[in-house]
Amino acid sequence: GQNIDQPTEMTATEGAIVQINCTYQTSGFNGLFWYQQHAGEAPTFLSYNVLDGLEEKGRFSSFLSRSKGYSYLLLKELQMKDSASYLCAVSPTGANNLFFGTGTRLTVIP
Amino acid sequence: DSGVTQTPKHLITATGQRVTLRCSPRSGDLSVYWYQQSLDQGLQFLIQYYNGEERAKGNILERFSAQQFPDLHSELNLSSLELGDSALYFCASSVQGGLNEQFFGPGTRLTVL
Repeated sequence: GQNIDQPTEMTATEGAIVQINCTYQTSGFNGLFWYQQHAGEAPTFLSYNVLDGLEEKGRFSSFLSRSKGYSYLLLKELQMKDSASYLCAVSPTGANNLFFGTGTRLTVIP
Repeated sequence: DSGVTQTPKHLITATGQRVTLRCSPRSGDLSVYWYQQSLDQGLQFLIQYYNGEERAKGNILERFSAQQFPDLHSELNLSSLELGDSALYFCASSVQGGLNEQFFGPGTRLTVL
């Protein structure tokens, strides 16, 4: 089975940097994904990691340690529009189906 | 706009009824995934189809079924509906069945009264 843990809520200040952690336990591992979801809207893809290390994509970076079952999403230069839920998801098999954590609700304050 | 379409946007029905949710994937995408998102719960993977064939199954109830048609659109059938089935149902698509980005549709909000 799969087990994914993320903090439920976080608050950060506009312009700052925030790190959202995700730990996972899975029977198989194909890759780890991060999605952003605004309330009532569809999740949108941010990044994915297959190998250990850091993937950078503009203001967003994602890190993976497969041996530790750990990932984080780093958001820089926070903007008010970054207030959303951030979902960590694991793909345990080659079929690419995703198992999501319950998400971290980030609130950016002025 | 992800290119994935879902209909209807909202659906209100009564317990015991049956409904069908429809999804059209992005042009060229062969794989379709269905997810359920209840209040205070994460996205739960239900089922995946690839080019018309069932590829992977998650926490899908026996009262639920899905299929993917030759034109690659997919339908999720929910029967004997219960209050607890009220949720947002998302469809996603990807190019292949392997590891790659999934594009999510806008979802269908199902309310069971």
